[in-house]
Amino acid sequence: GIQVEQSPPDLILQEGANSTLRCNFSDSVNNLQWFHQNPWGQLINLFYIPSGTKQNGRLSATTVATERYSLLYISSSQTTDSGVYFCAVVWGAGNMLTFGGGTRLMVKP
Amino acid sequence: EAQVTQNPRYLITVTGKKLTVTCSQNMNHEYMSWYRQDPGLGLRQIYYSMNVEVTDKGDVPEGYKVSRKEKRNFPLILESPSPNQTSLYFCASRRAGGYNEQFFGPGTRLTVL
Repeated sequence: GIQVEQSPPDLILQEGANSTLRCNFSDSVNNLQWFHQNPWGQLINLFYIPSGTKQNGRLSATTVATERYSLLYISSSQTTDSGVYFCAVVWGAGNMLTFGGGTRLMVKP
Repeated sequence: EAQVTQNPRYLITVTGKKLTVTCSQNMNHEYMSWYRQDPGLGLRQIYYSMNVEVTDKGDVPEGYKVSRKEKRNFPLILESPSPNQTSLYFCASRRAGGYNEQFFGPGTRLTVL
């Protein structure tokens, strides 16, 4: 099956700092999504981005499908950005989202 | 508001007592699925449904049942819960086609004593 690896596994930032989270995948994908799991456990859709670049406020994402990776940029981080960030992909003829292991982010005031 | 809802959000129960976690979506999505999330194991798919009356096993179906009698609803049934089914459960839905964006419910925290 496909392998989805995220880095770094853990990240601590001071409020206001910028960061880049990476997602590598081992095969061609039909779908790639980024999620934020907040401290209450809810999974929040951030981006649906099988290719290209999208921006939403302080967050942006880029997927380079030919090189099998995606990046999530967080600028001017806030304490409310804390939580776990997951990328997830659908590949081949499959229907299931395969999740990466996540990046746990803590933003300190 | 387009959303996926789950009930209950929190449940503490005892071994062997049958329970149902409901899931409903108002987006007219064909595809629905259930995941469980456990520390160190990530999110794993339990069952999925491509449409009404069409269901199939995911990676970890043992101990669970599902049904899809209506397009909007996809309940998860634990007929005889055991402590190893203590987990955080998510329901999700999307339009037909694996390339479409998937939307998740708020999660159900289940504890089986």
